[in-house]
Amino acid sequence: DIVMTQSPDSLAVSLGERATINCKSSQGVLYSYNNKNYLAWYQQKPGQPPKLLMYWASTRESGVPDRFSGSGSGTDFTLTISSLRAEDVAVYYCQQYYSPPFTFGPGTKVDIK
Amino acid sequence: EVHLMESGGDLVQPGGSLRLSCAASGFIFSDYAMNWVRQAPGEGLEWVSAISGDGSNIHYADSVRGRFTISRDNSKNTLYLQMNNLRAEDTAVYYCAKFQGDLMWGQGTLVTVSS
Repeated sequence: DIVMTQSPDSLAVSLGERATINCKSSQGVLYSYNNKNYLAWYQQKPGQPPKLLMYWASTRESGVPDRFSGSGSGTDFTLTISSLRAEDVAVYYCQQYYSPPFTFGPGTKVDIK
Repeated sequence: EVHLMESGGDLVQPGGSLRLSCAASGFIFSDYAMNWVRQAPGEGLEWVSAISGDGSNIHYADSVRGRFTISRDNSKNTLYLQMNNLRAEDTAVYYCAKFQGDLMWGQGTLVTVSS
């Protein structure tokens, strides 16, 4: 099974500042035949289902603000919020959909400093 | 509009059974593998099971293998999860999700296992 880890567990960032979340997979999630990383990022607020932010590691879902960006390839990935807004307070999860079981990271809680 | 809607969540006693359903619309259901994912109260996301578009290929998490059965009826555009011998630790919101093509999730249905 592919194990997903995230760092940090939580972070507090001032409004307008940058927030960076790291995600690492125990095995590569890059399919060579299409050169795509099968890595997604989700945002979850209390009482709500996960909201898709990024897929293919760096493709922003429709409607997601451009202050969110994803990067990385292979086993190391990053989600960046370039200028934190109050509505970005949430837990963020990475997930590999390369091979079952489609494992998730443990989540990173983002809060306002 | 692409949509997934779960139903069937309930309060059930330990050792009991429950069947969840997920109605899909807005895409060719039989073309895509489907998944169940759960989230226990205050916890992270746990993938539970997956089934291929034609139902021939099935995977389970170790935590549910032998107790849960995933299935689908492509004529009804519906995904199922039969849950038997339920335990307290199965208490969670259960989501159906699609991880092929456009990734998408339903709103979830709550399963509570308690006496």
